[in-house]
Amino acid sequence: SQQGEEDPQALSIQEGENATMNCSYKTSINNLQWYRQNSGRGLVHLILIRSNEREKHSGRLRVTLDTSKKSSSLLITASRAADTASYFCATDHTGTASKLTFGTGTRLQVTL
Amino acid sequence: NAGVTQTPKFRVLKTGQSMTLLCAQDMNHEYMYWYRQDPGMGLRLIHYSVGEGTTAKGEVPDGYNVSRLKKQNFLLGLESAAPSQTSVYFCAIKAGVGDTQYFGPGTRLTVL
Repeated sequence: SQQGEEDPQALSIQEGENATMNCSYKTSINNLQWYRQNSGRGLVHLILIRSNEREKHSGRLRVTLDTSKKSSSLLITASRAADTASYFCATDHTGTASKLTFGTGTRLQVTL
Repeated sequence: NAGVTQTPKFRVLKTGQSMTLLCAQDMNHEYMYWYRQDPGMGLRLIHYSVGEGTTAKGEVPDGYNVSRLKKQNFLLGLESAAPSQTSVYFCAIKAGVGDTQYFGPGTRLTVL
């Protein structure tokens, strides 16, 4: 399986702090995407970074991609209780008909 | 959920029963996907379609069949349900290669 790995598996922080989660993968990608999933709900797309990009921002989100290390990180700045969710990275691998391979996720808990 | 609907939302089956899950989209996207998500895990691809009349196997296709007779609909069938198929099933759509996937709200299936 090409399933990526995410680190840490769980993260607990206080409101206002930054949260960083990492994703590693094994083979070449077209792009890498991050999704959020609230408990019992569907996945919400957060951000997509293409293989020729190194950094991307969207509001309080910052994503970096290092293709030489086959890794990505998602930074959420000034976290809020509403950011409590599971976060998944998903990789669109070269030559796979645009199928996504998901990591196992990071469970983020933001407390007041 | 970006115009992706799933029917039904919940279902309980007995071992050996059959059922069909429906994914419908109103965005005229070519690519459609069926995933399953088990507790504490990321999504795993069951089957996918790159256009009307086409289907292909994903990572975990055994025990499932699919059809894409109309562009708007992607059906996932379980011919003889097993307890191992207890899971949450998500459908996703995508406009083209390298694009974002948009997910439906999910179907929670329990097989007793």
